[in-house]
Amino acid sequence: DAGVTQSPTHLIKTRGQQVTLRCSPKSGHDTVSWYQQALGQGPQFIFQYYEEEERQRGNFPDRFSGHQFPNYSSELNVNALLLGDSALYLCASSLAIRAGGLNTEAFFGQGTRLTVV
Amino acid sequence: GESVGLHLPTLSVQEGDNSIINCAYSNSASDYFIWYKQESGKGPQFIIDIRSNMDKRQGQRVTVLLNKTVKHLSLQIAATQPGDSAVYFCAENKGSSNTGKLIFGQGTTLQVKP
Repeated sequence: DAGVTQSPTHLIKTRGQQVTLRCSPKSGHDTVSWYQQALGQGPQFIFQYYEEEERQRGNFPDRFSGHQFPNYSSELNVNALLLGDSALYLCASSLAIRAGGLNTEAFFGQGTRLTVV
Repeated sequence: GESVGLHLPTLSVQEGDNSIINCAYSNSASDYFIWYKQESGKGPQFIIDIRSNMDKRQGQRVTVLLNKTVKHLSLQIAATQPGDSAVYFCAENKGSSNTGKLIFGQGTTLQVKP
């Protein structure tokens, strides 16, 4: 059973460019969340996708956008890259919490290391 | 604002000793807490979780304690091994939001001396 997979593992981009990161959730999971982890910091929530829609968003500018496909996989797009966007981008998958239901465990991928130069 | 914080950025222990990693949270509405382990170059790995209706939960060599009165969370690792060396994060989720958004602390680096 494959866990959460992310691609690419490493990426170098130039300021002003655009980047697309990809995530395939763990088998059976329907919800994908994206996090940004700067060096030496904890992951920061970017947004979450469920049923192909953005369900919740963290404190990130509109340059950060995403998409979820019918097979539950997801993409994270970042436009007009800044040096400060250099970070490890993590994808986490989980089962959606139903109304009145309990939180479920989130599984993380290995991340994509993005370097903006 | 809401935040999850850890008391010490680095903890150094001798192999075989017990480790205790602490975490303080500020939002009393939080009802689900998770500890993650992150090794260099890898994503966070789930260790153990606890819901707010519990004050203690045990796993294999690990125990999580929750004190809601003082909003404190701790992770205890028994007989610490070199393979336990990593950064440990506590994370918080407010179940009332039903979205699964996790709020992470800054992390504690655990160093195990042989």
